[in-house]
Amino acid sequence: EAGVVQSPRYKIIEKKQPVAFWCNPISGHNTLYWYRQNLGQGPELLIRYENEEAVDDSQLPKDRFSAERLKGVDSTLKIQPAELGDSAVYLCASSLDSGSYNEQFFGPGTRLTVL
Amino acid sequence: TQLLEQSPQFLSIQEGENLTVYCNSSSVFSSLQWYRQEPGEGPVLLVTVVTGGEVKKLKRLTFQFGDARKDSSLHITAAQPGDTGLYLCAGANTGTASKLTFGTGTRLQVTL
Repeated sequence: EAGVVQSPRYKIIEKKQPVAFWCNPISGHNTLYWYRQNLGQGPELLIRYENEEAVDDSQLPKDRFSAERLKGVDSTLKIQPAELGDSAVYLCASSLDSGSYNEQFFGPGTRLTVL
Repeated sequence: TQLLEQSPQFLSIQEGENLTVYCNSSSVFSSLQWYRQEPGEGPVLLVTVVTGGEVKKLKRLTFQFGDARKDSSLHITAAQPGDTGLYLCAGANTGTASKLTFGTGTRLQVTL
């Protein structure tokens, strides 16, 4: 069974440029998460989707970040314009549903460097 | 905001030594998970503990959930180089079990 797929794996851009990340969750997983992880720290949730509905986006900086999950499968996370402080690893995860103790499966992440 | 503090932040030990990583919070969690993350990869779930006082063993790893469900520990016996990685605890809140609050992380390096 394929795991969570993310692309690109690495991205280097200059500040003020736009950038987009793509995630393909595990087949059949209804819940999808985007996290941001700074170096040496734990992941922080940006947004959670239940199928195509964003049910928790309280930590998403909405002035520059946007996300979508069309048809409740793949998802994209966009930053426009990027700032130096956005440099981090962006992780996508999925779980079967949002029930208790559901295991979240993580992708390898996209490492973003903003110059 | 719920915070999970892990200690120590960094740990460098030799193969065969034992170690304990702590995960502490002032908040109560309905369950707590431990993940291990290797460089360039996403975190991988090791265990989920759900009952106060619960102890779970996974080969050389022993996980304990505090009686009050505010803290947890991970003990590794006879560490091996393959145990090297970033260890993360993550707490789930009652009612929104799928929302995890991750700890600050403990980076472990085991050398020969």
